[in-house]
Amino acid sequence: GAGVSQTPSNKVTEKGKYVELRCDPISGHTALYWYRQSLGQGPEFLIYFQGTGAADDSGLPNDRFFAVRPEGSVSTLKIQRTERGDSAVYLCASSSPDIVGVPGELFFGEGSRLTVL
Amino acid sequence: QKEVEQDPGPLSVPEGAIVSLNCTYSNSAFQYFMWYRQYSRKGPELLMYTYSSGNKEDGRFTAQVDKSSKYISLFIRDSQPSDSATYLCAMRKEGAQKLVFGQGTRLTINP
Repeated sequence: GAGVSQTPSNKVTEKGKYVELRCDPISGHTALYWYRQSLGQGPEFLIYFQGTGAADDSGLPNDRFFAVRPEGSVSTLKIQRTERGDSAVYLCASSSPDIVGVPGELFFGEGSRLTVL
Repeated sequence: QKEVEQDPGPLSVPEGAIVSLNCTYSNSAFQYFMWYRQYSRKGPELLMYTYSSGNKEDGRFTAQVDKSSKYISLFIRDSQPSDSATYLCAMRKEGAQKLVFGQGTRLTINP
């Protein structure tokens, strides 16, 4: 596809359940990011992949959150034992590499809206 | 205190007005400064970026960075109803990939 694709677009689950959110980046983009956006707030960094490896996972809030990118393309964000406070829009972005002085532009998907009841 | 502060608004102005949006930040290591626009239920899209200090102009949009004051601005000239959106500032350090976003300012341009 032409842009970053995220599925599902909406997910409603019950407290304590397990959730997987999928991101399909722009073809050829080696960098992939997950951000979380709560209502009325800016996106908050969760994790950054360069290829298959997580280069920076400092934003993951706790060990209930985990993300993988096994083949360097599609990524899955996994949330165990969901809590009501996990309700937010989870945004995925991909980018091409930086050139000196020119940051690689992040292209965001439309997000997966998670509601935990 | 957040690393990046942005007034959430809302801000409502008439069509054709000049709009000024701004952010302050606390981390002097930030080197890349971006402005994103986000329409309702969509992902953010990059409007402009500035590397280090200075001004940058792109059509009706001008971005300014004052590192001495830790203050960045986005000006929109001849504002249009289609400019109605949430505007997010974002910044990052040299060599880092993590973007730190402001809260976003919700802007409405009234016809």
